[in-house]
Amino acid sequence: QSVLTQPPSVSEAPRQRVTISCSGSSSNIGNNAVNWYQQLPGKAPKLLIYYDDLLPSGVSDRFSGSKSGTSASLAISGLQSEDEADYYCAAWDDSLNGVWVFGGGTKLTVL
Amino acid sequence: QVQLQESGPGLVKPSQTLSLTCTVSGGSISSGGYYWSWIRQHPGKGLEWIGYIYYSGSTYYNPSLKSRVTISVDTSKNQFSLKLSSVTAADTAVYYCARVEPRIRFDPWGQGTLVTVSS
Repeated sequence: QSVLTQPPSVSEAPRQRVTISCSGSSSNIGNNAVNWYQQLPGKAPKLLIYYDDLLPSGVSDRFSGSKSGTSASLAISGLQSEDEADYYCAAWDDSLNGVWVFGGGTKLTVL
Repeated sequence: QVQLQESGPGLVKPSQTLSLTCTVSGGSISSGGYYWSWIRQHPGKGLEWIGYIYYSGSTYYNPSLKSRVTISVDTSKNQFSLKLSSVTAADTAVYYCARVEPRIRFDPWGQGTLVTVSS
């Protein structure tokens, strides 16, 4: 059972827009920055979004992040087949003297 | 740019100690401002933070693993290491190392190394 809650899977057609939610609490998302990672099959996770809504250099602007209260979302527009991957949210959690927590991951299928 | 590479045995016997090393290239572990972390991913599962270390040697561990984890740093070799004691099959996972900006992000990540615990 992950501390941050994500839907196990989402699917959408190419060129459409999809959102992935991440729900937490006041000790993590509510009080700390959220980041998102993309994990392509057989690969290491790659930073996609940090500080809730900032894109690292080199990441496509088809990806965007947002946060409201204790929930965050990742949106992907103009879906492409290469976006098919697992997506994870993460945040620092102030409980128990501090710990990084992750969502359980969301498998994105591009139909 | 900074790159990380994990190394170590791919097979460990139950009750023994898992030992992995992460070699950092393209930047100095001693440059400050970042922590150096270990994260693992059980087969087909999500990510679990293990802990991290600052170049000075200060460490922070996940409370769920704290009793079995030791992370150390060797600044002369630009490496940091993970030791996980008394392993069981439940410790079978892909182990990643990553650079951490405190409270902000893990970036970049190493490619990961699969460690299987089996007799």
